[in-house]
Amino acid sequence: EPEVTQTPSHQVTQMGQEVILRCVPISNHLYFYWYRQILGQKVEFLVSFYNNEISEKSEIFDDQFSVERPDGSNFTLKIRSTKLEDSAMYFCASTGTSGKNEQFFGPGTRLTVL
Amino acid sequence: SQQGEEDPQALSIQEGENATMNCSYKTSINNLQWYRQNSGRGLVHLILIRSNEREKHSGRLRVTLDTSKKSSSLLITASRAADTASYFCATAIRNSGNTPLVFGKGTRLSVIA
Repeated sequence: EPEVTQTPSHQVTQMGQEVILRCVPISNHLYFYWYRQILGQKVEFLVSFYNNEISEKSEIFDDQFSVERPDGSNFTLKIRSTKLEDSAMYFCASTGTSGKNEQFFGPGTRLTVL
Repeated sequence: SQQGEEDPQALSIQEGENATMNCSYKTSINNLQWYRQNSGRGLVHLILIRSNEREKHSGRLRVTLDTSKKSSSLLITASRAADTASYFCATAIRNSGNTPLVFGKGTRLSVIA
């Protein structure tokens, strides 16, 4: 069964460093999302991406964040200058064109900012 | 804003018992989805129920939806230790298209063998 994959599973970085989180969505899906979950808190929406551009973003997704689909398979989230409060699990999700908005999530990347 | 809120926050049961979790939301929806998250892991899609459905089954899972009360319930029958996880309901922030999901805080289910 096709699934969303994410790398790395765990990323440790120093405050102020740039990180790139990678995702490979399900191959025939067209809508892509990033969510994050701070430890013990809700899963929060960051950004959605469709047709090679951001379709929607939350107020969390400020200028420090960017997304890119550099090729036909990868979908990346970049944080330019990490802050301690960026420590969280980051989930990528994708959905197809069924119209049901059934989103399939990857296993997540645990980002730890020291 | 649409927001799923689950209750109880935590539930502990014996293996073989049934577990019921509830979710409430605030505005009209096209569908409501339930996800499971094992500790520190990703979200696994369990079931989607459309707004014109009242009940849906998938294996040991039964989901109900009451749009008049803006609530849904997830029933896991004959629970197993492997069902131990957090369970979230999710609704879309808009009723059309592929839109971001809003999650509740979840119910932490512990099934004791």
